[in-house]
Amino acid sequence: DIQMTQSPSSLSASVGGRATISCRAGQDIGNFLAWFQQKPGKAPKSLIYAASSLHSGVPSKFRGSGSGTVFTLTISDLQPEDFATYYCQQYHRYPHTFGQGTKLEF
Amino acid sequence: QVQLVESGGGVVQPGRSLTLSCATSGFSFSSYSFHWVRQAPGKGLQWVAVISFGGSNTYYIDSVKGRFTISRDNSKNTLFLQMNSLTTEDTAVYFCARRPRGSSLDSWGQGALVTVSS
Repeated sequence: DIQMTQSPSSLSASVGGRATISCRAGQDIGNFLAWFQQKPGKAPKSLIYAASSLHSGVPSKFRGSGSGTVFTLTISDLQPEDFATYYCQQYHRYPHTFGQGTKLEF
Repeated sequence: QVQLVESGGGVVQPGRSLTLSCATSGFSFSSYSFHWVRQAPGKGLQWVAVISFGGSNTYYIDSVKGRFTISRDNSKNTLFLQMNSLTTEDTAVYFCARRPRGSSLDSWGQGALVTVSS
């Protein structure tokens, strides 16, 4: 199985600021990397696919980058609704493993 | 609009069975592969299984292989997850999600809670 490692596990940030989350794959996954946002008690929301492409309706303040084994999610101009847990997922090989999550907090 | 609605969750004793359904609407069901993802209480997301567009190909994580069966009814726009020999480790909220060709999971259901307890 491909291991996905996110860092940090939690991140403190301020409204109006910027947050950067890293995701590292245990082997080369090309650009088969997705990012999701999840709020407590809710289903995940799909943000990014193919490492850097935004799903429909996702604002451009969310930016994904990277390829191979190292990926980054950057969230700009943080607003209260952005404080949530973020997960990366590789979909290069089954099983499609998730990172352990990064909790973005005030 | 796109909707995925899970049902069939509940409390079940260890060793028993349960079948989850995911009813969909608002899109062409047969144009998507479908996945089940679960989340144990207070834990992260865990990918569980996938079924291909036509239903001929499936894949499972090792911990459910031989116990869970994913299936789909393209005539009823519905996805299923039959879960047998349940253990307490299977306690989780189960989400169904669709994946279009050339993309990742893009729409999710609200989740169904499965609690395995004696």
